[in-house]
Amino acid sequence: GAGVSQSPRYKVAKRGQDVALRCDPISGHVSLFWYQQALGQGPEFLTYFQNEAQLDKSGLPSDRFFAERPEGSVSTLKIQRTQQEDSAVYLCASSLGGATYEQYFGPGTRLTVT
Amino acid sequence: GQQLNQSPQSMFIQEGEDVSMNCTSSSIFNTWLWYKQEPGEGPVLLIALYKAGELTSNGRLTAQFGITRKDSFLNISASIPSDVGIYFCAGFNMEYGNKLVFGAGTILRVKS
Repeated sequence: GAGVSQSPRYKVAKRGQDVALRCDPISGHVSLFWYQQALGQGPEFLTYFQNEAQLDKSGLPSDRFFAERPEGSVSTLKIQRTQQEDSAVYLCASSLGGATYEQYFGPGTRLTVT
Repeated sequence: GQQLNQSPQSMFIQEGEDVSMNCTSSSIFNTWLWYKQEPGEGPVLLIALYKAGELTSNGRLTAQFGITRKDSFLNISASIPSDVGIYFCAGFNMEYGNKLVFGAGTILRVKS
């Protein structure tokens, strides 16, 4: 079956613009995660959903970052008033349910803020 | 917070050689995973380890879950050019939250 998909793959935003990044998890996967990956670093956790419930948002760096998963499938990560330090690859991962450590990643969205 | 230290940071090896890399932490993890990431793609799960001392293979890859639960090792035998990429270790422990903690990666380059 299809893997995790993300769109857009690349996004260039001017500082101060709002952006929305989309994630389509693997069908039937209950858990969905967002990670931020800076250049030359490993992914860092942002937030976690179980179905439509956002159970952990402790990794969101500021209140400009907002994520939702209203119907328990597709998720959107929104960044308001983007800053240069928001430039990174944003990765989405999903897992089947209980074994949430076996996470399957999408290709990521590379965000560049100019 | 929890940190994973991967070494070496990068390695440049001859095709056909065996490769070893490791991941250490001062924190205990109950699950260790190894991912490979290629340019422009997301990390791909290679091996998952669930018990201290466990040794698991996936083709030419072998990984071990350290007995102290604070480290893990990945070996690649008889490397080939398509092994090129960045290898990440990741740890999981529900005490730290329902999330993976990643190392900074080991960059592998293979000379053909």
